[in-house]
Amino acid sequence: GENVEQHPSTLSVQEGDSAVIKCTYSDSASNYFPWYKQELGKGPQLIIDIRSNVGEKKDQRIAVTLNKTAKHFSLHITETQPEDSAVYFCAATDSWGKLQFGAGTQVVVTP
Amino acid sequence: SAVISQKPSRDICQRGTSLTIQCQVDSQVTMMFWYRQQPGQSLTLIATANQGSEATYESGFVIDKFPISRPNLTFSTLTVSNMSPEDSSIYLCSVEAASLAAGETQYFGPGTRLLVL
Repeated sequence: GENVEQHPSTLSVQEGDSAVIKCTYSDSASNYFPWYKQELGKGPQLIIDIRSNVGEKKDQRIAVTLNKTAKHFSLHITETQPEDSAVYFCAATDSWGKLQFGAGTQVVVTP
Repeated sequence: SAVISQKPSRDICQRGTSLTIQCQVDSQVTMMFWYRQQPGQSLTLIATANQGSEATYESGFVIDKFPISRPNLTFSTLTVSNMSPEDSSIYLCSVEAASLAAGETQYFGPGTRLLVL
């Protein structure tokens, strides 16, 4: 089955710097890769996603890149702000089309 | 996107009792899912709630412990039965919604925070 690994588990950045979270997956049939942001006491919020026919996607300060050959995808947050502090989860679809999640990355943006 | 609400938002329960969690979506959706998120952990799929038929459970989850109802395309319930402290988790409802622009995308509700004493 699909196995998604996510690194790092925690990430501390200075406000204004960039943050990068990396994920790898095992199932070559995976074709959908969403990223979720979960703030304390809330449910996961979809922030960006990418499908296998695209290599990169950007939405304001957030971008996701996908390398299907290497089976890895990354989340890039530029010009980080304190409100970017949260837990971020990557996910990939398995062969049944169900999402398999990474372990999560706790991002702390310090002013 | 889909707007999802869950009730209750949180509860404290005694061991041996059962709790039913409700999930309401603002539009008709084909796919509804229930996840569990244990403290400090990632999301684990419990089951897919099927409208008009029995839910499809993932390995490690059984209907007797987590009965699910899906009476229509906008509503589902998850019951956590005969609770023990190990059931203390966040329970999340999720739906798959489709749009021409974004394709099929999965959204989550706010979660139900359950503490079992």
